[in-house]
Amino acid sequence: QSVLTQPPSVSGAPGQRVTISCTGSSSNIGAGYDVQWYQQLPGTAPKLLIYGNNNRPSGVPGRFSGSKSGTSASLAITGLQAEDEADYYCQSFDSNLSASKVVFGGGTKLTVL
Amino acid sequence: QVQLVQSGAEVKKPGASVKVSCKASGYTFTNFYIHWVRQAPGQGLEWMGIINPSRVGTSYAQKFQGRVTMTRDTSTSTVYMELSSLRSEDTAVYFCARGAPGGTWFGELLYSYFDYWGRGTLVTVSS
Repeated sequence: QSVLTQPPSVSGAPGQRVTISCTGSSSNIGAGYDVQWYQQLPGTAPKLLIYGNNNRPSGVPGRFSGSKSGTSASLAITGLQAEDEADYYCQSFDSNLSASKVVFGGGTKLTVL
Repeated sequence: QVQLVQSGAEVKKPGASVKVSCKASGYTFTNFYIHWVRQAPGQGLEWMGIINPSRVGTSYAQKFQGRVTMTRDTSTSTVYMELSSLRSEDTAVYFCARGAPGGTWFGELLYSYFDYWGRGTLVTVSS
């Protein structure tokens, strides 16, 4: 049971726009902690996609964008491409004493139809 | 360029311990924290703990308290993660990841997002 909740899967056709939600609580996202997004291609290590809610590291295409509001965050991918097919994880921090300081969502598998 | 090079795959019996290494290069080792994250087969990411390479300072996820030890060797720019009393549920890929500059203080440790990751080390626990 992940502290952050993501849909298990989303899909879209090439060129379309998809969004992936990440829902937390008042001890993590709602407490003001930043949200990050990581992309994991099959058999590889996760790669930083979005940091600080809506910032892209250099080299990440502008098709990827992040947002945060209240206790939730979202990752949007526009102009979907076949190479975007991967698992996506949101990550934040948590001040709850019984939780890990670093928390992840359960991951969302993106399928490009 | 920043690189985190991890040790090779391990096969261990239940009850044994495993020690995974993560050798950093391409940056000043003592300036950035290192985290360990694991991923069981077909499962999501799970944070295990953090180590401050510049001085003694670690914090572990509650789930691993008493079983995990993170250490560092500044002479070789290497961080180690040792997990003891292994059970089959510990079968996973173990990643080291660098904490980016800045972040949020929890106690005396600075937590940030992960800007670079190692390729992972598969640890298989089987009798």
